Amino acid sequence: DARVTQTPRHKVTEMGQEVTMRCQPILGHNTVFWYRQTMMQGLELLAYFRNRAPLDDSGMPKDRFSAEMPDATLATLKIQPSEPRDSAVYFCASGFPNSGGEYNEQFFGPGTRLTVL
Amino acid sequence: AQTVTQSQPEMSVQEAETVTLSCTYDTSESDYYLFWYKQPPSRQMILVIRQEAYKQQNATENRFSVNFQKAAKSFSLKISDSQLGDAAMYFCAYSGGSNYKLTFGKGTLLTVNP
Repeated sequence: DARVTQTPRHKVTEMGQEVTMRCQPILGHNTVFWYRQTMMQGLELLAYFRNRAPLDDSGMPKDRFSAEMPDATLATLKIQPSEPRDSAVYFCASGFPNSGGEYNEQFFGPGTRLTVL
Repeated sequence: AQTVTQSQPEMSVQEAETVTLSCTYDTSESDYYLFWYKQPPSRQMILVIRQEAYKQQNATENRFSVNFQKAAKSFSLKISDSQLGDAAMYFCAYSGGSNYKLTFGKGTLLTVNP
């Protein structure tokens, strides 16, 4: 049963510390998305990649957030320095084109719950 | 920019009854997808049902069905024979254009009463 995996599942850190979240997309999926979920903002897109190339990171605070795909099996989201307002659940999702070349489903990982004190 | 609106922050239903969750969206695209995702307390996002905008027939998955009104930009979810396991947060989502990113509504918290 192929699944998107995310590590860590929970992270508690102090303000100013670096946080790295990792995602392993489903094998064969060529598009990876990072979403953030908060009570106030709901679910919002931070960034996404296709074939490891960043296509849209307009949802990310550029001064402290960075997203990369070192290889096809790993996506990372880093926050440096972290702030209390970054406390949220961060989801990774992956997708692939159907026979018509359309992406009509994203598969979500279990999320990383981040708490910044 | 696309927007998705869920006007019901909370809904409740009796076990075995039917409930309908509302969703409206705004877009200038002609080709797009609409989704309903379920998020139980475990936080896992689970795809419930999806609808391609070019299809006139409403999607159905077992006890879950949608009422897709393209002209009205409305996409409601009907859950029939509600079960205790249906209790969760439900998110309506839109994906369109060439980027396939999802735009989510704020969610509707569904409670199922025994």
